[in-house]
Amino acid sequence: RKEVEQDPGPFNVPEGATVAFNCTYSNSASQSFFWYRQDCRKEPKLLMSVYSSGNEDGRFTAQLNRASQYISLLIRDSKLSDSATYLCAVNRGGSTLGRLYFGRGTQLTVWP
Amino acid sequence: GAGVSQSPSNKVTEKGKDVELRCDPISGHTALYWYRQSLGQGLEFLIYFQGNSAPDKSGLPSDRFSAERTGGSVSTLTIQRTQQEDSAVYLCASSLTGFQNTIYFGEGSWLTVV
Repeated sequence: RKEVEQDPGPFNVPEGATVAFNCTYSNSASQSFFWYRQDCRKEPKLLMSVYSSGNEDGRFTAQLNRASQYISLLIRDSKLSDSATYLCAVNRGGSTLGRLYFGRGTQLTVWP
Repeated sequence: GAGVSQSPSNKVTEKGKDVELRCDPISGHTALYWYRQSLGQGLEFLIYFQGNSAPDKSGLPSDRFSAERTGGSVSTLTIQRTQQEDSAVYLCASSLTGFQNTIYFGEGSWLTVV
C-alpha cells in the first residue's frame, strides 16, 4: 500500500463551486500534514499545513482525521486561478524524520 | 533571492554522459531534499540530508545516482551514464530543521536525456 494516496481526478468545476479533496495515509504514526499546490511545469508550493483541530485560510479549509487516517482540503467559491494540481504530503517522523511523502496529486480545473 | 536555488534550470544531455545538478538551499536550513518528478507523475523521493550527512538515501534509484552536501549548504546530485528514463525534473527542497517543518522547493532542474 502506498504511503499517501489521492484521487487523481481530474475535478472540473464551475467558478463559485465548492470542491473537496481527500487524501489517505497508511502510517498511523504520521505526525505532520500539508497541502501543496503545483501549477503546470512549476514547483510545488505550500498551500497550508493541516492541524489536528482543523484550520482555515480564507476560502481554504483543511481537516485531519487521525482515526480514519485521512486529510481533506475544501475550497469554497472556486476561482479560475485555483486551477492546479493539489498534493497532500505527510511526515512520518521517527527514523525518516524530515522526509515528506507525497500523494500523486489531484488535478483541479475551474471553468468560467 | 531568498529561496532555494537550482542550476542548471534546463539540461539536455546525450545518453551515457554524466550530469551534475546543483542546489543552494535557503540560508540557515539544515535539511535538504532531492525529489524527482517525471512528466505527469508524482514526486519521487531520492535523498534527504541533515547537515552534511544523508540519513535517508533510500530513494536513489540505482548506483548511478549519488549526492553530496558540503558545508551544510550546497548539494550536488550526480547522475552517471545517463539513461533516457532519467529524463525528469529534479527538485531540490530545504527546511529549517527537517522535523515537522515545512519544506520549500526550488524551481527544479529539467533534465532531458537524448
